[in-house]
Amino acid sequence: QSVLTQPPSVSGAIGQRVTISCTGSSSNIGAGFDVHWYQQLPGIAPKLLIYGNINRPSGVPDRFSGSKSGTSASLVITGLQAEDEADYYCQSYDNRQRGYWVFGGGTELTV
Amino acid sequence: QVQLQESGPGLVKPSQTLSLTCSVSGGSISRGNYYWSWIRQPAGKGLEWIGRIYTSGNTNYHPSLKSRVTISLDTSKNQFSLKLNSVTAADTAVYYCARWADDTSGYYYVQYWGQGALVTVSS
Repeated sequence: QSVLTQPPSVSGAIGQRVTISCTGSSSNIGAGFDVHWYQQLPGIAPKLLIYGNINRPSGVPDRFSGSKSGTSASLVITGLQAEDEADYYCQSYDNRQRGYWVFGGGTELTV
Repeated sequence: QVQLQESGPGLVKPSQTLSLTCSVSGGSISRGNYYWSWIRQPAGKGLEWIGRIYTSGNTNYHPSLKSRVTISLDTSKNQFSLKLNSVTAADTAVYYCARWADDTSGYYYVQYWGQGALVTVSS
């Protein structure tokens, strides 16, 4: 069971908007640690989509946006395109024990 | 551009030690303020952070794996390695090596990924 909880799957039609949630606790997101988001296409390594809760690396379309509030974070994709069909993961830091990086369980987006 | 490439046996017997090496090009593993990590992904499942080593050699491991994991640097070869002992079928996964963003940025995300190496634990 992942420390960060994501819905297993979401879906949307071309052109629509979807939101993927990432729920943590007081030892990770709620403690103020940043949330980052990755997109993983089948068979290849994940790619960074959002870093520091809201920032897009260069080359990532502005259709992708992130937010964070309390113990949760969200990834919003607007104007869905067929190529957005992928798995999405959130990632943060947990300060229990000696501290360690954590990933969400992943969300499969079907377009 | 930093590139990472995993290498090692694709098949390991139960109770033995899984050993993987990550070869780094385009940058020195002994310079800068970077964390180097191993991350794994069982088939059809999510990502799991295994552990990290800093440019200085300091390490930190996932609590659930720390009794079995060792990550080390080989600066002469510009490589870092993973050893996971007493493996079981549950350790079967694609193993990625990764470099995290510059520590001085204050952001801790994976900036560069290897392509991944499938390791199967089976007799």
